[in-house]
Amino acid sequence: DIQMTQSPSSLSASVGDRVTITCRASRSVTTYLNWYQQKPGKAPNLLIYAASSLQSGVPSRFSGSGSGTDFTLTISSLQPEDVAAYYCQQSYSAPRTFGQGTKVEIK
Amino acid sequence: EVQLVQSGAEVKKPGATVKISCKVSGYTFIDYYMHWVRLAPGKGLEWMGHIDPEDGETLYAEKFRGRVTISADTSTDTVYMELSSLRSEDTAMYYCTTDLCTSSSCSFDYWGQGTLVTVSS
Repeated sequence: DIQMTQSPSSLSASVGDRVTITCRASRSVTTYLNWYQQKPGKAPNLLIYAASSLQSGVPSRFSGSGSGTDFTLTISSLQPEDVAAYYCQQSYSAPRTFGQGTKVEIK
Repeated sequence: EVQLVQSGAEVKKPGATVKISCKVSGYTFIDYYMHWVRLAPGKGLEWMGHIDPEDGETLYAEKFRGRVTISADTSTDTVYMELSSLRSEDTAMYYCTTDLCTSSSCSFDYWGQGTLVTVSS
């Protein structure tokens, strides 16, 4: 199985800050890498697919980059509604493993 | 409009079995794999397994192998997830989600609303 490692596990930032979350795969997943946002009590929501493609309806302050084993999710200007847990997931092979998650809070 | 509608919350005793349903509408049922993912309190998302509704082929996470069974009913466009020998650590929200694949990507685009399973004596 491909292991996914996210960092940091949590972060606290101010409104308007640029926030970066990283995700590393135990072996290459090319660009088969997705990012999800999960707010408390809600189902996860797809933000970024294929490493850098923005899902329809997702604000443009979210962006993704990377390929191979190293990936980044960036929120260009943190907003109060971005408080959530964020997960990377590889879809290169089964099983579809997730990172352990990053909890984002407002300072 | 794609919809995945799950069955309601369950409370079970340790050692019992729970079976959750996920009814699909808005797309051709056999076109996409269905996965089950859970979120336990204080934990992250955990992939449990998937099914190809077209032929019933399944794959389960090693952690759940022997305790989980995923099945699909093509007559009702419904997928089921059964988890046996429940323990307190299985208390979680369980989600079904559809794996949409193109030539260059696969992603969980659509999710059920979640089913809360509480295991308590």
